[in-house]
Parts: sequence; structure tokens; C-alpha cells
Amino acid sequence: AQSVTQLGSHVSVSEGALVLLRCNYSSSVPPYLFWYVQYPNQGLQLLLKYTTGATLVKGINGFEAEFKKSETSFHLTKPSAHMSDAAEYFCAVSISGSARQLTFGSGTQLTVLP
Amino acid sequence: KAGVTQTPRYLIKTRGQQVTLSCSPISGHRSVSWYQQTPGQGLQFLFEYFSETQRNKGNFPGRFSGRQFSNSRSEMNVSTLELGDSALYLCASSLGQGAATEAFFGQGTRLTVV
Repeated sequence: AQSVTQLGSHVSVSEGALVLLRCNYSSSVPPYLFWYVQYPNQGLQLLLKYTTGATLVKGINGFEAEFKKSETSFHLTKPSAHMSDAAEYFCAVSISGSARQLTFGSGTQLTVLP
Repeated sequence: KAGVTQTPRYLIKTRGQQVTLSCSPISGHRSVSWYQQTPGQGLQFLFEYFSETQRNKGNFPGRFSGRQFSNSRSEMNVSTLELGDSALYLCASSLGQGAATEAFFGQGTRLTVV
């Protein structure tokens, strides 16, 4: 079975500072990894995904993530935080060969301070 | 291109009643998945439908059921509602069934059981 751990349920950064949201996964087979963002009273919006190929993945709104197999990590970064980035972020994993099922981490609430 | 549409957005039901939630996927998408989101348990997979067949089911009691119609629209039903069923129910649609395909989420239905 696969699982996802997001370190830090709450992260605060100053506007303009680096954003780093941590995600570690556990999987016995090669995983597909996703980052989603959720704004209050909204659904989930896909930021980026890793399936195969390049391990550094660029997403929307200036976010990127690097797949590190040796560390079983898929941390999300953004060089400069913007007030509009304040939201909850979820890391998710699905397993190749399986049906369409995402296993989510517990989420990280990002606060951006002026 | 219209996104995933979930109706209704909000529902209040009484314990013991049953409820039906609706999801219209993105045009052309044949896979529909359902997730439950609660503060305590986070995001949990309920089930997935593809071409009117349930392909995968999460660890939920039989009170939770669903179906998919020939036009790919899906409904989920919860019978004998319990207070713990209060949650945001999210529907996601995907073009294909593979684990790598992107899931596009609706805005969810907020169910409150009193």
C-alpha cells in the first residue's frame, strides 16, 4: 500500500520569501506524484505532477517540485511567495498499474505574511 | 470547456435520512472518482467509476454507494446518514483510467448532518 506524509501542517512565510512544502511518499512500486492546492470552500486544483522522465517538474503559478527517489521525496517549492499563494496544499500519490485512485497527504496550510 | 460540476453545493440533512449527490464530469471524460474530505480524516477515496462500472472502492461502509450513467454523469448515495458523514464530498473526472492521468476536481458538495 502507498502512503504520503506531509511534514508541517502549517507553514508561514513572508511575502517574497522561498516557499518549501515537504512531501515524502511510501510505495513498493514506482509512484505517480501530484501536488494540489485548495482555496477555502473550493475543490482541488492541480499544480503539477510527476509521472516519468524529468525529475524536476514545473507547474502553474511558479511552483515546481523535484522527485528524489533515493529520498522518497517530492517537495514543492516556489522562489518568491505571493499573498495569493495562501491556501492548503496536498501531496498525492497513485500507483502505476492501478485504477484511478489518489492517496493524499494530510495537507499543509500555507500562510503568507505581508 | 466546462469543468466538473457538482450539485448541490450545500446540503443539510437529518440523521437517518439518505442523500444523493450529483457530478457531471468534463465533456469527454469517462472516469469519475469520489472523495470525502473531513478535518479529522482528510481526503479519502470513496470509489471510482469508468464506463458505468465501479472499478475501485475505498474503505467505506456499504451505506456509501454510487453509479455512473451512460453519459458519464455520476451520483453517489449515502443511506442512513450519521453525524460523522458530515463532510465535503469531492468528485473528480479523468480522461482515462490510468493512474498517471490527471484528475480534475469539482468544487464539492458540503453535506451537514444534524
